[in-house]
Amino acid sequence: AQTVTQSQPEMSVQEAETVTLSCTYDTSESDYYLFWYKQPPSRQMILVIRQEAYKQQNATENRFSVNFQKAAKSFSLKISDSQLGDAAMYFCAYRSANRDDKIIFGKGTRLHILP
Amino acid sequence: NAGVTQTPKFQVLKTGQSMTLQCAQDMNHEYMSWYRQDPGMGLRLIHYSVGAGITDQGEVPNGYNVSRSTTEDFPLRLLSAAPSQTSVYFCASSYSPRIPEYFGPGTRLTVT
Repeated sequence: AQTVTQSQPEMSVQEAETVTLSCTYDTSESDYYLFWYKQPPSRQMILVIRQEAYKQQNATENRFSVNFQKAAKSFSLKISDSQLGDAAMYFCAYRSANRDDKIIFGKGTRLHILP
Repeated sequence: NAGVTQTPKFQVLKTGQSMTLQCAQDMNHEYMSWYRQDPGMGLRLIHYSVGAGITDQGEVPNGYNVSRSTTEDFPLRLLSAAPSQTSVYFCASSYSPRIPEYFGPGTRLTVT
């Protein structure tokens, strides 16, 4: 069975600095999607970035980028120039490209931004 | 665009009561889905739909029913509420069936 592990329950970073959130996953499949979601105190889930496993190039969305290491089954999120609005819970998620009935979320990392 | 809307925002039910959580989207997305989020956890997929008239079960479907009569609406029904269904419920829609992209604000449900 697939699993997603976020080993850092909480992290803090100084405003304007860079922070990296870790995510590892376990799967025997070769074709899948990986996601990072942000959940601010408002509770609404926001898709931050996604990566298709067949793409070797790391995805980037403005200040957010990922380091996707397929062989190591690692999918970390880097936030550059951290802003106060980045404070949130961040979830890593895995979804098979071959089935619709399941998406696996990690337990989340709470990110604090220090002014 | 209103995006994905959910009503109500909060609800308290007694064990055995039934209710419907409403979800609507105005982006003409074919794919819609329902999730629950329990304390300290990520989301788990309850039911999903790939288009009007087509629904299917996710990972935790027991105790919930869905229907999809229009592209815009995807209501979730609790037939006989149980305390184990106390959770926050999110509806989502997207262009792609495998990339949940737009989420509603959630409904916090408490069953006593």
